Amino acid sequence: NFMLTQPHSVSESPGKTVTISCTGSSGSIASNYVQWYQQRPGSAPTTVIYEDNQRPSGVPDRFSGSIDSSSNSASLTISGLKTEDEADYYCQSYDSSNRVVFGGGTKLTVL
Amino acid sequence: QLQLQESGPGLVKPSETLSLTCTVSGGSISSSSYYWGWIRQPPGKGLEWIGSIYYSGSTYYNPSLKSRVTISVDTSKNQFSLKLSSVTAADTAVYYCARHRGYCSSTSCYPKMGFDPWGQGTLVTVSS
Repeated sequence: NFMLTQPHSVSESPGKTVTISCTGSSGSIASNYVQWYQQRPGSAPTTVIYEDNQRPSGVPDRFSGSIDSSSNSASLTISGLKTEDEADYYCQSYDSSNRVVFGGGTKLTVL
Repeated sequence: QLQLQESGPGLVKPSETLSLTCTVSGGSISSSSYYWGWIRQPPGKGLEWIGSIYYSGSTYYNPSLKSRVTISVDTSKNQFSLKLSSVTAADTAVYYCARHRGYCSSTSCYPKMGFDPWGQGTLVTVSS
């Protein structure tokens, strides 16, 4: 089964830049679009990146997404970290049968 | 602004059927560009896709849940629903509904894009 693997947690200081990876278990991660969701405690997820690298309106340009085919991974980069960025982040894509796959989630701590 | 709202019992007994409805407001569930999905999140754990439905009734299900899941749509009420049978404590979770963007051509549409927006979620506990 196709899986997306994320680090369990990452931490960084305010003002710094952090990158969260999402690695595909097989095939090519570039074959399907990757989305990234932010989930604050007690709230529903919201989209911060869609279609690999697109930002919804209202999401600051401090958030960016990319695909690295050589490592079969997607990345979410947040620059100029703010305490409000502290949340869980999930990547999401598809397997070869068009079934939705979520990564396990990464807890971002801004300290 | 499109909004989704989940509704249904917050407590279900083991072996019974969990039933939830998602009401869509501010837009039509019959849009040709979108599917409508269910996602769940057990307490303290990650997100799990349950399945998605098109307004025509076409469905895609998570293979691990497929034998127990039925998703249906009622376009007249702008609602879609989830039924999960033979529940156990492992089905205790916050259940979210969300609009699921399709990858569409002139002849077909597949649920291959992202989920947005999401409902606020509803906690369903399986316990006797």
